Amino acid sequence: DIVMTQSPDSLPLSLGERATINCESSQSVFYTSNNKNYLAWYQQKPGQPPRLLIYWASTRESGVPDRFSGSGSGTHFTLTISSLQAEDVAVYYCQQYYTPPYSFGQGTKLEIK
Amino acid sequence: QLQLQESGPGLVRPSETLSLTCTVSGGSISSGSYYWGWFRQPPGKGLEWIGSIYYSGTTDYNPSLKSRVTISVDKSKSQFSLKLTSVSAADTAVFYCAKGAGTTVAVGAHWGQGTLVTVSS
Repeated sequence: DIVMTQSPDSLPLSLGERATINCESSQSVFYTSNNKNYLAWYQQKPGQPPRLLIYWASTRESGVPDRFSGSGSGTHFTLTISSLQAEDVAVYYCQQYYTPPYSFGQGTKLEIK
Repeated sequence: QLQLQESGPGLVRPSETLSLTCTVSGGSISSGSYYWGWFRQPPGKGLEWIGSIYYSGTTDYNPSLKSRVTISVDKSKSQFSLKLTSVSAADTAVFYCAKGAGTTVAVGAHWGQGTLVTVSS
């Protein structure tokens, strides 16, 4: 099974700061035949379902603000929020969908300092 | 606007079968080549993919749950369903249904609000 590890577990930042969340997979999730990384990012606020932010590692879902961006390839990936807004307080998860079981990271809690 | 709504019992006895249904509105479960999936999240914990079904009926299950899981689709009712047999307290979770993103098997693009299922006697 592919293990997804996120860092940090908790990220306290001030409004307007840049947020960087890392995700590492225990094996590559890059599929050479189509040149795609099978990696997604979600945002989950308390009492709400997850919201898809990014898939194929860097494709922003429709309606997601452009301050959210995804990067990386192979086994190392990053979700960046360019300027933290109050509404971005949430838990963020990465997920690999390269091979079943399609596993999630443990989550990173983003909070306002 | 597409909406998904989970329904089913909120309490299931140990060793019995958990049955949930996801009703899709504002769009057809048969339109487009999409996967429809089930996920769960134990209280205060992370997310787990349970399984997915293609609009044609092809399924893909989490190997750790495969022996206990069945996902089916009823296109006439615009519903897909989850059955999880022989449940225990470890199966207590919020269960979510979701529509897949593009051609992906297990990326949830549109989610239901979730339903808490407690396994207890």
